[in-house]
Amino acid sequence: GAGVSQSPSNKVTEKGKDVELRCDPISGHTALYWYRQSLGQGLEFLIYFQGNSAPDKSGLPSDRFSAERTGGSVSTLTIQRTQQEDSAVYLCASSVDRDNEKLFFGSGTQLSVL
Amino acid sequence: DQQVKQNSPSLSVQEGRISILNCDYTNSMFDYFLWYKKYPAEGPTFLISISSIKDKNEDGRFTVFLNKSAKHLSLHIVPSQPGDSAVYFCAARRWSNYKLTFGKGTLLTVNP
Repeated sequence: GAGVSQSPSNKVTEKGKDVELRCDPISGHTALYWYRQSLGQGLEFLIYFQGNSAPDKSGLPSDRFSAERTGGSVSTLTIQRTQQEDSAVYLCASSVDRDNEKLFFGSGTQLSVL
Repeated sequence: DQQVKQNSPSLSVQEGRISILNCDYTNSMFDYFLWYKKYPAEGPTFLISISSIKDKNEDGRFTVFLNKSAKHLSLHIVPSQPGDSAVYFCAARRWSNYKLTFGKGTLLTVNP
């Protein structure tokens, strides 16, 4: 597609449920990032994928969070046993490669945990 | 520990005037700085960047100034237009590290 696509755009879930967020990056972009923005905060780095290299998971806030990127393209961010503090906008971005400063962001998934 | 700070949550200016958005950073290892613009319900979009070897970068109506000794950068928009109304995020990175550290953003409102 022309841009980074994320789905769903909105997700409301109950505390304790698992959720999956999907990201379809720009074709040909080898670098993929997940960020989240909690209310009133800046964007917080979660995880980074570059080609076939091992991902940098250093930003994941707990072991309830995991992500994978299949075939070097689509990525899924999974949050298990969601908590209210997980409520945020989850943003995916891609770039041509790790040295390109121009990240292209998707519109995000607004996650609300009740 | 907030390494990139945007101390003004909001800024309001008149159309045609200059908008100045400020950003301070604490990590002296940062050597690349960027500004992103975000409209409601959209993802941030890249606006302009500057390397630490420069003190100014200009792109049309947008100019970014970097003062390394003060660990301060600013974004100037001249002239401001109503379509510039958005949240502006300052971000920084070490060139050797792909992670961007973002500020909390400044909401710019340009009044017609």
